[in-house]
Amino acid sequence: GAVVSQHPSWVICKSGTSVKIECRSLDFQATTMFWYRQFPKQSLMLMATSNEGSKATYEQGVEKDKFLINHASLTLSTLTVTSAHPEDSSFYICSASWAYTQYFGPGTRLTVL
Amino acid sequence: RKEVEQDPGPFNVPEGATVAFNCTYSNSASQSFFWYRQDCRKEPKLLMSVYSSGNEDGRFTAQLNRASQYISLLIRDSKLSDSATYLCVTDSGAGSYQLTFGKGTKLSVIP
Repeated sequence: GAVVSQHPSWVICKSGTSVKIECRSLDFQATTMFWYRQFPKQSLMLMATSNEGSKATYEQGVEKDKFLINHASLTLSTLTVTSAHPEDSSFYICSASWAYTQYFGPGTRLTVL
Repeated sequence: RKEVEQDPGPFNVPEGATVAFNCTYSNSASQSFFWYRQDCRKEPKLLMSVYSSGNEDGRFTAQLNRASQYISLLIRDSKLSDSATYLCVTDSGAGSYQLTFGKGTKLSVIP
């Protein structure tokens, strides 16, 4: 099956700093990637759809100026959490579609102090 | 709001038991349905797709009732390694790759 990687797997940062998370499709090209967020005991919530070469599409309630998405190549999408605050602490997961199936990255656990 | 509803559990069952999970979805335009498995602090992994005719993969059987907008997963002969959270997932319809996740049903298989 297809492989999606994420980096870093976990990060701890101070409030007010920015954090960049990378999502890579390792053995296939993905014109579309998705970014999800999961709080403890909650379902995965779609934050945005990342489209290669164009602007991301954000879900209602997700601030596009706070969660910057860049999909500059067919194998890489990045999510930057700007001016992170403790309430942004969560599990961030990306996914990419291949052969009508979505494959998920291993996730990035963000803790903002 | 397009939602997927699941019984959160937890379901605590002994090894060898048969357990069934149910799920309902509200988006009548959904065309694709899945069960994903998520282990603690890990990403979801596809367990199986769900087809209208029902489908089986080893000890796992999935059923779909489009009229009732209801999906089920049956696990026979439960193993300790089946302990996880099972996520019911649908697409957003109209050929979209976007997925909508239920909150998941937690299963604990006890020795």
